[in-house]
Amino acid sequence: GAGVSQTPSNKVTEKGKYVELRCDPISGHTALYWYRQSLGQGPEFLIYFQGTGAADDSGLPNDRFFAVRPEGSVSTLKIQRTERGDSAVYLCASSLRRGNTEAFFGQGTRLTVV
Amino acid sequence: GQQVMQIPQYQHVQEGEDFTTYCNSSTTLSNIQWYKQRPGGHPVFLIQLVKSGEVKKQKRLTFQFGEAKKNSSLHITATQTTDVGTYFCAGPSIYNQGGKLIFGQGTELSVKP
Repeated sequence: GAGVSQTPSNKVTEKGKYVELRCDPISGHTALYWYRQSLGQGPEFLIYFQGTGAADDSGLPNDRFFAVRPEGSVSTLKIQRTERGDSAVYLCASSLRRGNTEAFFGQGTRLTVV
Repeated sequence: GQQVMQIPQYQHVQEGEDFTTYCNSSTTLSNIQWYKQRPGGHPVFLIQLVKSGEVKKQKRLTFQFGEAKKNSSLHITATQTTDVGTYFCAGPSIYNQGGKLIFGQGTELSVKP
């Protein structure tokens, strides 16, 4: 596609529910990143993929968070047993190669846990 | 782990004044990238610096990468209202094979006409 696409753009869920956030990167980009951004803060690194594998998942806050990229393109961030503290904008970015080229961000998914 | 700090957190200027934001990493970086995020928007790439001591210019914006590749700065000359937004630096540490982009907390710039 023309850019990084994230769906849904907004998600409101009840505390304790499961959510999935989807990211469709730019075609041909092998690196894919997930970030979380709270108001007034910089993007907080969660995980990045190089191809299908999670090259670094050290930013995932706990085992309620999980992400997959089974075919090396679309990625899904999964959050189990959501908590109010999970509320944030979840940003996805892709780049042609890992780390050393510009990252293109999607518009983000605003997650609100009530 | 790697930390990236930016100062100041906020900067309010009169249109036409200059603006500078500073970025410091706890570890040596393989490169430094700068992004701009407009209110309600997502980060948009501005530039990447790779070499020690490198200086790059984009019109009124000047970017510098420190000799030790641990700090960087962005200077805007004669700010305009279109410069409003939050400026982030980001860099992968040389110790993680250039993969993980760590962002600073950003400097929010407001410009009064």
